[in-house]
Amino acid sequence: QQPVQSPQAVILREGEDAVINCSSSKALYSVHWYRQKHGEAPVFLMILLKGGEQKGHDKISASFNEKKQQSSLYLTASQLSYSGTYFCGTATSGTYKYIFGTGTRLKVLA
Amino acid sequence: EAGVAQSPRYKIIEKRQSVAFWCNPISGHATLYWYQQILGQGPKLLIQFQNNGVVDDSQLPKDRFSAERLKGVDSTLKIQPAKLEDSAVYLCASSRGQGTGELFFGEGSRLTVL
Repeated sequence: QQPVQSPQAVILREGEDAVINCSSSKALYSVHWYRQKHGEAPVFLMILLKGGEQKGHDKISASFNEKKQQSSLYLTASQLSYSGTYFCGTATSGTYKYIFGTGTRLKVLA
Repeated sequence: EAGVAQSPRYKIIEKRQSVAFWCNPISGHATLYWYQQILGQGPKLLIQFQNNGVVDDSQLPKDRFSAERLKGVDSTLKIQPAKLEDSAVYLCASSRGQGTGELFFGEGSRLTVL
């Protein structure tokens, strides 16, 4: 039931790109992306509502394919500050039950 | 705007003892969530309130966990009796609506059960 993220972990050099995927078995109303650093609460990055929209924020963007219940987060020209664990948060259509994905640990090296 | 307030920040108890966590959401936020995050894992939804009604509590171990949100504002999560596997960070979050707005998190309450 928990959305599955891939890859589980990724290591990058500064300036490299990464893609993180989130796949749900439930019909989704919206997908959110968060980044969590060790010992801190998750920090909101962006929200995507059903309709297949794509959003961007600086060098981070995301897409949502509601037919496939999948979302992808794109990190371009990664910076050291991008290191952390990324979670997709999903609101199920109808109930709006809000659950988090399995997480992707990302580490950016200098 | 004041953020989500949680207390206590840290709690150490012996197994079989009880503990309570308190959360005060951002003013005007109708939806309140309690998550359990075990080290190295993602947040697991325990209970989700919409105003003072329960949207989902399917993952709440009801034989030992209870939660309430009286008057649709602040909320209390209780564990009685605690088990070793309850050691985790308990995150409270709130949002203006369901599914359309970001979740604002408190700093979390770290529970250690010995």
